[in-house]
Amino acid sequence: AQKVTQAQTEISVVEKEDVTLDCVYETRDTTYYLFWYKQPPSGELVFLIRRNSFDEQNEISGRYSWNFQKSTSSFNFTITASQVVDSAVYFCALRETSSNTGKLIFGQGTTLQVKP
Amino acid sequence: DTGVSQDPRHKITKRGQNVTFRCDPISEHNRLYWYRQTLGQGPEFLTYFQNEAQLEKSRLLSDRFSAERPKGSFSTLEIQRTEQGDSAMYLCASSLLGTLSYEQYFGPGTRLTVT
Repeated sequence: AQKVTQAQTEISVVEKEDVTLDCVYETRDTTYYLFWYKQPPSGELVFLIRRNSFDEQNEISGRYSWNFQKSTSSFNFTITASQVVDSAVYFCALRETSSNTGKLIFGQGTTLQVKP
Repeated sequence: DTGVSQDPRHKITKRGQNVTFRCDPISEHNRLYWYRQTLGQGPEFLTYFQNEAQLEKSRLLSDRFSAERPKGSFSTLEIQRTEQGDSAMYLCASSLLGTLSYEQYFGPGTRLTVT
């Protein structure tokens, strides 16, 4: 069955430290999409990135980078030089192409606290 | 602002009462989703609309829950005879059918507290 696991419940770092959020997924589909969303205290989920299963190229966007490894079913997210504004709950999510509806399966989330 | 909007943002109700939430998706989006998020958990899928048709319902959606999307525009989610276990954040999301991106854009959510 499909599943997303974010084993880190809470992470606390000091500003300017690098931090990596782990995500491991399970799926029987050969084609699927992976997502990261950010949920600040205001509550609204903000889309960060989408990655499809046949593109294992890592991606960097400013201070954010993502490492997709199909062999280990992982899609980890790294924030370089963290800032207080990065404090939020981060969710990894899976969308299987066998699902015609496009529904997302979310992990439990990792709460990141960046201290000044 | 042309994002997904939800109303109300907060709702406190007594057990046994009925409540209705509204979601207005991004105007050109024909896919609409409802999710429920309890404290400390990720959102869980409840139901999906493609235009006005409700195409999938999660087993989480008990008989007390009903959702509609008349005319394929806004959507409502009604909970009848609310229970304390219904206390959660109810999130609405929309996306565009036919694109390869499939990003879902989320609204701010409606936080329900059942006392």
